Amino acid sequence: EPEVTQTPSHQVTQMGQEVILRCVPISNHLYFYWYRQILGQKVEFLVSFYNNEISEKSEIFDDQFSVERPDGSNFTLKIRSTKLEDSAMYFCASSLDWTPYEQYFGPGTRLTVT
Amino acid sequence: GESVGLHLPTLSVQEGDNSIINCAYSNSASDYFIWYKQESGKGPQFIIDIRSNMDKRQGQRVTVLLNKTVKHLSLQIAATQPGDSAVYFCAEGGTSYGKLTFGQGTILTVHP
Repeated sequence: EPEVTQTPSHQVTQMGQEVILRCVPISNHLYFYWYRQILGQKVEFLVSFYNNEISEKSEIFDDQFSVERPDGSNFTLKIRSTKLEDSAMYFCASSLDWTPYEQYFGPGTRLTVT
Repeated sequence: GESVGLHLPTLSVQEGDNSIINCAYSNSASDYFIWYKQESGKGPQFIIDIRSNMDKRQGQRVTVLLNKTVKHLSLQIAATQPGDSAVYFCAEGGTSYGKLTFGQGTILTVHP
């Protein structure tokens, strides 16, 4: 069964550094998402992306964050000047279309900012 | 504001019992509801969904019930197995571009 993959599985970075989290969505999906989950808390929506444009973003997704589809297979989340509170699991998801089409989640990248 | 919440943070059951996990939502405009299962170290895994024009939907060993009058969603798992032990999240969507709003999560523990 096709699946969403994410790299790295764990990223440790120092406060103020930039990180890029990478995702390979399911190949025939056109809609992409990033969510995050702070330890012990609920999953929070960050951004949705379609046709090389952000469709919607949450309040969390400020100027520190950006997304890109650099080629036909990758979808990236860049966090500039990381802060301690950016430490979380970051999940990528993809779907065939907007809801009610199922969003398939990747295994996540654990980001630790020290 | 919008919110999706769970009544019970933990649920412990014996293997073979039926489990019921509850969820309250507040956005009456939501028209799509989903249950996800999250095992340790993994991403959320889709279990079952329901549209707002339905009040019940059944899958394999799982049933989702939707009560729009009281904005309540539940997940019933029949003959719960140890492999069902996980965190279960409800989520709502359909009001914007694919955005899902997740609830707090319920930890289900199944004892052999």
